[in-house]
Amino acid sequence: GNSVTQMEGPVTLSEEAFLTINCTYTATGYPSLFWYVQYPGEGLQLLLKATKADDKGSNKGFEATYRKETTSFHLEKGSVQVSDSAVYFCALSNFNKFYFGSGTKLNVKP
Amino acid sequence: KAGVTQTPRYLIKTRGQQVTLSCSPISGHRSVSWYQQTPGQGLQFLFEYFSETQRNKGNFPGRFSGRQFSNSRSEMNVSTLELGDSALYLCASSLGLGGLSNQPQHFGDGTRLSIL
Repeated sequence: GNSVTQMEGPVTLSEEAFLTINCTYTATGYPSLFWYVQYPGEGLQLLLKATKADDKGSNKGFEATYRKETTSFHLEKGSVQVSDSAVYFCALSNFNKFYFGSGTKLNVKP
Repeated sequence: KAGVTQTPRYLIKTRGQQVTLSCSPISGHRSVSWYQQTPGQGLQFLFEYFSETQRNKGNFPGRFSGRQFSNSRSEMNVSTLELGDSALYLCASSLGLGGLSNQPQHFGDGTRLSIL
């Protein structure tokens, strides 16, 4: 079947630290992969996406590369800011359905 | 371009009552999905509508139902409310059905439902 597994949080970092949030998936065929971010009191916002193997999605300093050989789509950012504090969701779409990970909460301290 | 609009933002109900939540998708989007988000269970898929027909369904009891109108607006209804139904209900729209054409889902800010 299809599923997404994310690293458990919370992840606590100091401002300007390097961020990695791990995401691995299980899927048949060729899924598309997404990262969403949810700020307190809001819905999920699309952060970036990749639709085929070796694609790199990027937005607002965040990056993730679609690795089919390791079935991974890890989220990275070189220097986090306090304003990046939020919950991050990894997701895949496959055969007309979306599947979301459980979310990883990121706390960035000044 | 207006985003996904959910109304109301907040609702307080008591056990046994029923509730209807509304979602207006982004103009041109034909698919609307509903999710329940709770601290303990995370994001859980309820159902998806496309062209006024339910196309996908999650593992929720029959008390949870929905519909979609010809203008793609959708409503979700929960009957005989239980304390455990307290959650943030999120609506998401997309161009195609469930990830068709690699299009992402776009979310509204949700309806916070509290059951007393």
